[in-house]
Amino acid sequence: DTGVSQNPRHKITKRGQNVTFRCDPISEHNRLYWYRQTLGQGPEFLTYFQNEAQLEKSRLLSDRFSAERPKGSFSTLEIQRTEQGDSAMYLCASSQTGGKYEQYFGPGTRLTVT
Amino acid sequence: QKEVEQNSGPLSVPEGAIASLNCTYSDRGSQSFFWYRQYSGKSPELIMFIYSNGDKEDGRFTAQLNKASQYVSLLIRDSQPSDSATYLCAVRYNNNDMRFGAGTRLTVKP
Repeated sequence: DTGVSQNPRHKITKRGQNVTFRCDPISEHNRLYWYRQTLGQGPEFLTYFQNEAQLEKSRLLSDRFSAERPKGSFSTLEIQRTEQGDSAMYLCASSQTGGKYEQYFGPGTRLTVT
Repeated sequence: QKEVEQNSGPLSVPEGAIASLNCTYSDRGSQSFFWYRQYSGKSPELIMFIYSNGDKEDGRFTAQLNKASQYVSLLIRDSQPSDSATYLCAVRYNNNDMRFGAGTRLTVKP
């Protein structure tokens, strides 16, 4: 039984560079969520997919952020022209439909923008 | 504005005591309520969820929900040092938007 996986686990990048993160959800889960968490705060919702459809995006998600889930399985989150304020833990979670929507998190990708 | 409020702590209890963690939320349309445990440097781990008013027990954990008061709590009985972590309260609304509180840091002292 595999849980949610995320790659890479850590990413250090220079300001202005683009980065891409990958999330593989639990296999039978068709809902996938992206969150961002900074120190001392709870996770902040970024966006959510049901299968391949992106159904909701937070106002936090600026034009520099884009997420895809092309075949309804894994998802990618890309940040273009990174800024120091983008430094955070990026968390992916997945859940089933038809259930109680419990979300299970992956280990996260810690991004540091220098 | 959909807010989830938690006392940031730290909450310190002796080993074997009951730890009580509280959470309030602002939107009466809230559907489901979750408690996550997060160890330092790790991702949140789901430990309890509750949907109906009343108590729900799972091992040493009891979640309590009072929708009229917009209040949800988590009790941890026989607290252990391994329970030391940040506990996040999360509230789901009917559009699948889930909001988290900032978390309460719990320390269980041997």
